[in-house]
Amino acid sequence: AQKVTQAQTEISVVEKEDVTLDCVYETRDTTYYLFWYKQPPSGELVFLIRRNSFDEQNEISGRYSWNFQKSTSSFNFTITASQVVDSAVYFCALIQGAQKLVFGQGTRLTINP
Amino acid sequence: GAVVSQHPSRVICKSGTSVKIECRSLDFQATTMFWYRQFPKKSLMLMATSNEGSKATYEQGVEKDKFLINHASLTLSTLTVTSAHPEDSSFYICSARDGPRLVNEKLFFGSGTQLSVL
Repeated sequence: AQKVTQAQTEISVVEKEDVTLDCVYETRDTTYYLFWYKQPPSGELVFLIRRNSFDEQNEISGRYSWNFQKSTSSFNFTITASQVVDSAVYFCALIQGAQKLVFGQGTRLTINP
Repeated sequence: GAVVSQHPSRVICKSGTSVKIECRSLDFQATTMFWYRQFPKKSLMLMATSNEGSKATYEQGVEKDKFLINHASLTLSTLTVTSAHPEDSSFYICSARDGPRLVNEKLFFGSGTQLSVL
C-alpha cells in the first residue's frame, strides 16, 4: 500500500526565514511519482513539482527547492527567504501503479510579516 | 497551462435537497476526472474516478447512490450530492488529466466547491 506522511501539521516562521516541509512516503513499487501542491486560502490546488522515482536530482525553482532521497523515502520541500504570499497548506502526494494520487495530511505554513 | 473550472465555488442548501457541482476542462480534453473531498484542516480523499462515457469507479466507503457522477463529455464531469445532509458538508474538488497516462501529466485541479448543508 502507498502512504504519504507529512509529520508537520503546522509551521509558523517570520518572513525571510528559510523553511523546510518534510514528506516521507511508503510504496512497494520501484516506479512511482511524487508531487507537491500548494493550497492557498482560496482553496484551489496549485501544482508545484512532479518527480519520478528514477530521477534523484534535486531541483531548484526560484526560492523553491526539493530534495529527493530514495534511501530515506523522503521528498522534502524548502522555501528560501519566505514571503507572506507563501502562506498556504502544502500537500505532498504519491502515485504508483493504480494511478490514484494519494495525498499526505498537509502542512499549514504561516509566514508572519 | 491547462485550466479546470469548477462551479459553483460555494453553495448552501437545505437538508434533503440535491446539489450539482460541475467540473470543466477549459482548454484540453479530459478523458479522466477525479473527485476529492476535503474536511476542514484535513487532507484530500479520493471519492471516485470518472471516465468519459462510462460509469465512475468509486472508492471504498463512498456511497455511489449518494454521490452521483456523470462524465458525459470530454470536457465536463458533474458530481451530484443527492438528498444532502449536514454530514455531507465539505469542500469538494475535482481534477482532470490532460493525457492518456496520468503519471506523465500534472493533474490539474479545479478551485473547489464549499458545500454547506443546513
